[in-house]
Amino acid sequence: SQQGEEDPQALSIQEGENATMNCSYKTSINNLQWYRQNSGRGLVHLILIRSNEREKHSGRLRVTLDTSKKSSSLLITASRAADTASYFCATDAWNQGGKLIFGQGTELSVKP
Amino acid sequence: NAGVTQTPKFQVLKTGQSMTLQCAQDMNHEYMSWYRQDPGMGLRLIHYSVGAGITDQGEVPNGYNVSRSTTEDFPLRLLSAAPSQTSVYFCASSYGGNGGYTFGSGTRLTVV
Repeated sequence: SQQGEEDPQALSIQEGENATMNCSYKTSINNLQWYRQNSGRGLVHLILIRSNEREKHSGRLRVTLDTSKKSSSLLITASRAADTASYFCATDAWNQGGKLIFGQGTELSVKP
Repeated sequence: NAGVTQTPKFQVLKTGQSMTLQCAQDMNHEYMSWYRQDPGMGLRLIHYSVGAGITDQGEVPNGYNVSRSTTEDFPLRLLSAAPSQTSVYFCASSYGGNGGYTFGSGTRLTVV
């Protein structure tokens, strides 16, 4: 399988705290992407990091990628109740364009 | 722009019936994919396409057929529905390369 694990499976924090989610994968990748899914809704693309990038920022999101360890992390700073959702990483495998494989996700709960 | 449109939103089938889930995008995206999401699990790739006339199998292709005769449409056919195919189905599209995916709002399918 292309995809590995995400951890933690569930995370509960207070508003204003930072949330960190981790993702591991098994194969060489072209890029790694993070998505958010609110309950009962479709997925929303958050950020994409290419295999030759190590860190990327978008607003309160910071993504890191370590290709030697085949792992990535998503940091959400100063979390808000509205950040409550499931977060998924997905890998686009090298030389398999279009085959985007998802992890099982992290369920984040931000308490006001 | 409508983005990715999936129809129907809800469907109940009897075991053995066939049906087609429709997916259309108006963003001129080359890449399109079908996923299923079961409770407590991430998304699993069923079939994907990198352009009109080109399709390939994902992680869980058995029991499903696809075709891509136009850039805009990517229907998913269930040949003979089984209770194990009860799930939420998502269609997604991307311009390809290092582009993120846009997801539809999903089709909730129940097979009785």
